Amino acid sequence: DIQMTQSPSSLSASVGDRVTITCRASQGIGRYLAWYQQKPGKVPNLLIYAASTLQSGVPSRFSGSGSGTDFTLTISSLQPEDVATYYCQKYSSALTFGQGTRLEIK
Amino acid sequence: QVQLQESGPGLVKPAGTLSVTCAVSGGSINNENWWSWVRQTPGKGLEWIGEISHDGTTNYNPSLKSRVTISVDRSKNQFSLNLNSVTAADTAVYYCARQPINMAFDVWGQGTMVTVSS
Repeated sequence: DIQMTQSPSSLSASVGDRVTITCRASQGIGRYLAWYQQKPGKVPNLLIYAASTLQSGVPSRFSGSGSGTDFTLTISSLQPEDVATYYCQKYSSALTFGQGTRLEIK
Repeated sequence: QVQLQESGPGLVKPAGTLSVTCAVSGGSINNENWWSWVRQTPGKGLEWIGEISHDGTTNYNPSLKSRVTISVDRSKNQFSLNLNSVTAADTAVYYCARQPINMAFDVWGQGTMVTVSS
């Protein structure tokens, strides 16, 4: 089974900072990689799919990159409303989520 | 637009069967999508349980496969999850989600909390 590993598991950053979260697959998955944002007490929300395609309605400060085994989610300028847990997901056969990255404001 | 709404028992006894249903509105369950179940244990991450396609094909998480059945009721435009031999470890919020072909989960239900306890 392919495992998805996110790093870091948590981070704290200041408003306006550039934030990067990494997701690594144990085997190549092409670009079948999505990122979700889950705010406390809320339903997960799709941010990015196909590694770098921004879902409709998602602010442009979010971006994704990567292919194969290494992927990155970047928030170009952190906003207070970005406090959430972020999950990566492999969505081709045997769908698998990463363990999540909790993002807080410093 | 498509909306999903889960319904479940709230409480299930250990060794029993957990049954949750997802009603699809604003679109047909027969459209070319995959329909999934995902769960989230309190304070933990997301775990994919399994999926069913528009043509009835199913795929399950290997770690749960022996206990899971996902089915579709086209007449009611809904799909269902059955998880048998439950234990306290199955206590979680259960979400249903839509996955268009070659895309990720773009629509989620609000989730239903199921507690396994005697």
